[in-house]
This record gives sequence, C-alpha cells and structure tokens, in this order.
Amino acid sequence: VQLVQSGAEVKKPGASVKVSCRASGYPFGTYGVTWVRQAPGQGLEWMGWISAYNGKTDYAQKLQGRVTVTTDTSTSTAYLELRSLRSDDTAVYYCARMWELPAGVNYFDSWGQGTLVTVSS
Amino acid sequence: QSVLTQPPSVSAAPGQKVSISCSGSTSNIGNNFVSWYHQLPGTAPKLLIYDNTKRPSGIPDRFSASKSGTSATLGITGLQTGDEADYYCGTWDTSLSAWVFGGGTKLTVL
Repeated sequence: VQLVQSGAEVKKPGASVKVSCRASGYPFGTYGVTWVRQAPGQGLEWMGWISAYNGKTDYAQKLQGRVTVTTDTSTSTAYLELRSLRSDDTAVYYCARMWELPAGVNYFDSWGQGTLVTVSS
Repeated sequence: QSVLTQPPSVSAAPGQKVSISCSGSTSNIGNNFVSWYHQLPGTAPKLLIYDNTKRPSGIPDRFSASKSGTSATLGITGLQTGDEADYYCGTWDTSLSAWVFGGGTKLTVL
C-alpha cells in the first residue's frame, strides 16, 4: 500500500489549494480516504473524509464551507481542496487510508508522506 | 484544547517501560474503538495500535494497549532510542460527529 501526495505549495491569503493523494497497491474504491493536517509544532487535526461505502463526506465543523474531499477512481487519486486560505492554514497536510465498517471509521492504516502548504502574503 | 487528554511528555531510560494515557468521555473512548499512532521526527504518522488493543503486522510486541471505560493506555517496554517520537491516540466522537486526536505525547528515551 502506498499513498503519494503532490508537492509543496505556497499560496496567498484568500487563495485556494488542491492537494492530491495517489494510491497504489490496493483496490482504491474499497477504502475511504481521510485528510489530517499538522500546523508547525502542533498536533494532528482531522479535517474530513470520504467514505468508500457510499461516497459520503464528513468534515470538521471548523472547516465546513471551506473544504472539499473528492476522489477519482479512474486514477486512484483523492483530492483535498481548501478555499479562502488564511495564515493559520499553514500546515503539513496528510492523506490516509481509512479502515471503516458500516458502523463507522475505526482507524487510519496507511499514510501519505505529507504536503506542506504555506499561506503567506 | 483537545477532546482527548494526553500527557505532553513522558521519559524513561533505555530498556525501561513507559505508559501513555489518553483520557476521554463516553462520547468518544467510552463507546468507540481507540487507535494509536506514532510520529518520528519529520515523518508522517504511522498506525501503532488499532481496535483498542491490536497491533498491525510489523509492530513489535513491545507495544501494547488497553482500554477501560473512558480511558486508554499505550504501553511500551524495552525502550529503545528509536522509540523517541510523538504518540497520538484517536477515536470517533459521537457527540461532535468528528474524529478526534489527543494532543500528543512526546516520548524521550534518556
């Protein structure tokens, strides 16, 4: 299992960023994908996910309206789009494969290498 | 302020054992599976424990975990300098309808 993310980005406040996460080594459509970020020197923050069961997305309340998670099964790639960027969005963004059951998500078992997004004027 | 409470740091000598606690509530740990992740400096997090107590293949049995009520504990025995990392617990929070992580615990092997 391997998740390979796109390269570092530098964006201005108010802009948007779209980070990709290409999966290999497993049937992409049978696992959901989650996104987690980590601001400099800080802990892990869950951002949202897309379920493999029904394609449903869930997002952290503080990011609602600014974040979208999508997948392209033809290329086994997941995407995270974050809009109206602010300086406090500066962080390393990770994708991870989700182990989920109909009752809910249990854990994240494989992670991408991370993508640094810097928001600065 | 994280929903799940972990000690900011723990330390122990090589060869010793250490425990890292993760305290929550009935809306998260009390009624959902807990997983643990470790993050070596400058690298991505890695799954260490899933479904409260299970180790993925490749994780040595020096790592173990337990859950009781609204708290979970990660234990590491036979500490090695390579175990120095940040450790995070995580679970689903039913009330928040969100996945939550603990604030993280920095392990120092003296």
